[in-house]
This record gives sequence, C-alpha cells and structure tokens, in this order.
Amino acid sequence: EAQVTQNPRYLITVTGKKLTVTCSQNMNHEYMSWYRQDPGLGLRQIYYSMNVEVTDKGDVPEGYKVSRKEKRNFPLILESPSPNQTSLYFCASKPGQAYIGGYTFGSGTRLTVV
Amino acid sequence: SQQGEEDPQALSIQEGENATMNCSYKTSINNLQWYRQNSGRGLVHLILIRSNEREKHSGRLRVTLDTSKKSSSLLITASRAADTASYFCATDHSGGYQKVTFGTGTKLQVIP
Repeated sequence: EAQVTQNPRYLITVTGKKLTVTCSQNMNHEYMSWYRQDPGLGLRQIYYSMNVEVTDKGDVPEGYKVSRKEKRNFPLILESPSPNQTSLYFCASKPGQAYIGGYTFGSGTRLTVV
Repeated sequence: SQQGEEDPQALSIQEGENATMNCSYKTSINNLQWYRQNSGRGLVHLILIRSNEREKHSGRLRVTLDTSKKSSSLLITASRAADTASYFCATDHSGGYQKVTFGTGTKLQVIP
C-alpha cells in the first residue's frame, strides 16, 4: 500500500531532550515536507526537501532540523525541544517539485513537550 | 504566512443537506486544492482545480474558482454523517518554487 509512515504516533518529552520524528514513504517520491498544525493557525510548513540532499526552510523552521540522506526518509529533528513546539506534526510527500496534484500525508505525530 | 482563509470556521448541517465552504487567498496561484481531515488524522487530498479552470466536479464534490476575486468554494452535495471532518484549502503559489500553503480550515459537522 502506498503510504507515508510517521513514528511515533504520540510522544511526550521533557524540555531540552533531543528527539527525532521519523518519516518514510514507499512511493519513490522526490518531494517531502514537514508541517505542524496548531489550533487556529492551520498547517504551517517547517522544512521541505525537493530531493536527496536538497532541503530548505519553510515558514517556521526555528528549532528544527531535517536531513534527506535517502529518498524514502525525511526525519525531523528537535535538538532542544521547548514547550512551544508542542503540536501535531505531519509529514507529506508528492512525486516531484513539478507534480500537479495533492500531497500524500502521514497519520501525524502528536508531540507534547513539558 | 497563511495564504488561504476558509469561511465559515464551523458549519453544522443535517444529513442530506448541501454544505458549502469558501476559501479566499491573497496572491496569484497555480492551482488550489481541497483536503479533508478526520479528527487528528492526516489530511486526504480531495480535488485540485487549476488557475485556468472555473469549475470542477468529483462525485458529490463541486469546486469553483474565481481568480478575479481570489476565492474558491467547495460544495458537498447530499451530505452524509461520514462527511463530518475539517476541510482545508491549499494554494499552490505562482512563482519560482513549489510551495503549498494551507488555510485554517472549516469544521463540518453532519448530523444524522
């Protein structure tokens, strides 16, 4: 089944403890993106990647890092999480930068930083 | 920055009625997409309308686009309880790089 898989689904952590949220897609998509969703603010893009080793900042990149060493994986790294990063996170992918169509989304990761 | 703004923020209708939600945006777009999100789950792509199209249909969904007013509407006909979800418009910006910007969503409740 074509899908985007995020792990973990839920995560509670403490301020300052580094964490990684994994994202993997099995559709050979070139373009991948991370979003965070907060009440009243909709989805905001954190980082995106057009292909392996090509990443760029979205609208809210502060406090996050990403890497794209392989086409299928696009992990989101929080080096020193803070409570304002408590949010619902989504990874999404599409075939390529020029593809005219929708994203495929993962099921989300609900992160709580205490 | 947010591009799409949906209206209304919340909508409650009876099963069988039609649901209309609107999206306004600020700058030129290549296309506009609508997504559905069931509570806390990932978004599911519903339909895409290109900037040179005015209307598009997919099953019980009808999307219109008015680029002169920078607005779009999503009509769900003969609604069902299973249509209860949040609906988001997403605008694909014109310009040098591909970026899709999501609005804040309309929460639709369909009462059986």
